[in-house]
Amino acid sequence: NAGVMQNPRHLVRRRGQEARLRCSPMKGHSHVYWYRQLPEEGLKFMVYLQKENIIDESGMPKERFSAEFPKEGPSILRIQQVVRGDSAAYFCASSPQGLTDTQYFGPGTRLTVL
Amino acid sequence: AQSVTQLDSQVPVFEEAPVELRCNYSSSVSVYLFWYVQYPNQGLQLLLKYLSGSTLVKGINGFEAEFNKSQTSFHLRKPSVHISDTAEYFCAVSEANQGGKLIFGQGTELSVKP
Repeated sequence: NAGVMQNPRHLVRRRGQEARLRCSPMKGHSHVYWYRQLPEEGLKFMVYLQKENIIDESGMPKERFSAEFPKEGPSILRIQQVVRGDSAAYFCASSPQGLTDTQYFGPGTRLTVL
Repeated sequence: AQSVTQLDSQVPVFEEAPVELRCNYSSSVSVYLFWYVQYPNQGLQLLLKYLSGSTLVKGINGFEAEFNKSQTSFHLRKPSVHISDTAEYFCAVSEANQGGKLIFGQGTELSVKP
């Protein structure tokens, strides 16, 4: 059973461009969480999705950020018009049924905004 | 609002010595508690978790943690560390009615020296 996959592992964007981060959960997992790790900080929750539904987006910035988890395909975290402050490591985690189930983390996507 | 405090940002220790990484949390409702480890340029791996029952929880790689409700603490311990334990350790909580999203502490960098 392959683990959580994220791509790309490293992404460089110039200010104003769009960034698309992909997360393929473990087989059989229908719950996906996105977290952001800013330099020298811990991880911060961004959004929780279940297939085709956003369950909790309380940690998402109100503008420029969006997430989806379609019926088919990976979960996508989209950042429009990136700014330098978006530079961070973005991790996704998946679990079978949410709640107290163990969350399995991907290796992360490191976004650098020039 | 819930929060997690890891009292030590860095813990240097010699190989084969015991170690304790401290974690305190605040919450007004029932919580579930987790410790994750992050090796350089990798995602997070679950060490152990407390959901209910016995307050002493044993995890992987010889780690254990004790839940203390009165002191709102969940300290991580290992009686004898190895060089390979050098990593960043994160304490996290989730609240019973929050869908499983994790609130992380700032992390503790454990450095094991020969």
